[in-house]
Amino acid sequence: NAGVTQTPKFRVLKTGQSMTLLCAQDMNHEYMYWYRQDPGMGLRLIHYSVGEGTTAKGEVPDGYNVSRLKKQNFLLGLESAAPSQTSVYFCASDSGGLAKNIQYFGAGTRLSVL
Amino acid sequence: QKEVEQDPGPLSVPEGAIVSLNCTYSNSAFQYFMWYRQYSRKGPELLMYTYSSGNKEDGRFTAQVDKSSKYISLFIRDSQPSDSATYLCAMSAGAAGNKLTFGGGTRVLVKP
Repeated sequence: NAGVTQTPKFRVLKTGQSMTLLCAQDMNHEYMYWYRQDPGMGLRLIHYSVGEGTTAKGEVPDGYNVSRLKKQNFLLGLESAAPSQTSVYFCASDSGGLAKNIQYFGAGTRLSVL
Repeated sequence: QKEVEQDPGPLSVPEGAIVSLNCTYSNSAFQYFMWYRQYSRKGPELLMYTYSSGNKEDGRFTAQVDKSSKYISLFIRDSQPSDSATYLCAMSAGAAGNKLTFGGGTRVLVKP
């Protein structure tokens, strides 16, 4: 029972480098989300998707892009990394609909941008 | 001002004590309220889920929602060292996308 799997778990980038974070879920969930977590800030929504082929902006989308080409995968891209993007990134998914919108989270990706 | 406010703690209690956590919010459209528990270097996991106002109990955990005061609480009875974690409140208006708004989290330490 894998649930939500994030890769990689850790990454160090230099300013200006690019990278892609992968999120995979095996629960056949419709909705997927990318959050970032910074000390004292809780989780802030970056982008989300309500189904295969759809994406939408969250609270802090600048500097990030996403794609949902397959229902089970949600990719988060950083085209030109900046030190301000040093954070812990979490992916989550839920089954969609308004009744009991429980989001299930992955273990996170720790990213440092030097 | 943040949409959801939560005291960051840390909140340190002796084993067996009652832990009391709370969040205040400003958006009156919120109607789904959740508490997540997050252990160090792990992802959040859902602890309690409440719709609209009222109380909900699950074992040692009780969640309360007072929409008139825009205030939610989580109580942990007979606290254990394994309850040491960060507790995040989260809320949703139930609109399309099920977007959650989180509090900053309260770190709880239960000392044996």
